[in-house]
Amino acid sequence: DAGVTQSPTHLIKTRGQQVTLRCSPKSGHDTVSWYQQALGQGPQFIFQYYEEEERQRGNFPDRFSGHQFPNYSSELNVNALWLGDSALYLCASSPGLAGGLYNEQFFGPGTRLTVL
Amino acid sequence: AQTVTQSQPEMSVQEAETVTLSCTYDTSESDYYLFWYKQPPSRQMILVIRQEAYKQQNATENRFSVNFQKAAKSFSLKISDSQLGDAAMYFCAYRGREGAQKLVFGQGTRLTINP
Repeated sequence: DAGVTQSPTHLIKTRGQQVTLRCSPKSGHDTVSWYQQALGQGPQFIFQYYEEEERQRGNFPDRFSGHQFPNYSSELNVNALWLGDSALYLCASSPGLAGGLYNEQFFGPGTRLTVL
Repeated sequence: AQTVTQSQPEMSVQEAETVTLSCTYDTSESDYYLFWYKQPPSRQMILVIRQEAYKQQNATENRFSVNFQKAAKSFSLKISDSQLGDAAMYFCAYRGREGAQKLVFGQGTRLTINP
């Protein structure tokens, strides 16, 4: 079992550009959540996808958007990048909303985004 | 909105000794889970231990145990017989029924193990 995988590992962009980050969930998982972790801080919830729809969203602007594919993999898109978007972006997968509180979220290693 | 607070930015302990990391949280919900995650330099967030709010018995996983005080909204992590591999950032996290899949994290505590 490969676990949660993310690509790329590192990414450098300039202000105003757009970026796409990718996540493949753990085998058997159909729910994907994205988190932003600024340097020295705890992760902040961005949004969650289930059945190819955004189910829940944190306090992030519309510049942050996502997508989930039929194979449950997911993308995070950020438009009009600014310096404050520099962070580690974590993807987490879980076996589905039906399990409710009990479902453990498994995290990927993250993508380090640097905006210059 | 729920909040999680870790008041110790850094902690250190001698190898083989015991250390306790503190966490407090604020919520109006009665049904929720609390977690401790470990994030080593490899960046991968790893679940250490979890506690269900309706269970009075404190969770234990080998050398890791928690002291869950629901009335005080306190959730501390005790690491016994500390090992060099325990060195990492530790995050306390909350997950409630409202927004059932969303984790709310504290700011983290950096744990150093001294040989």
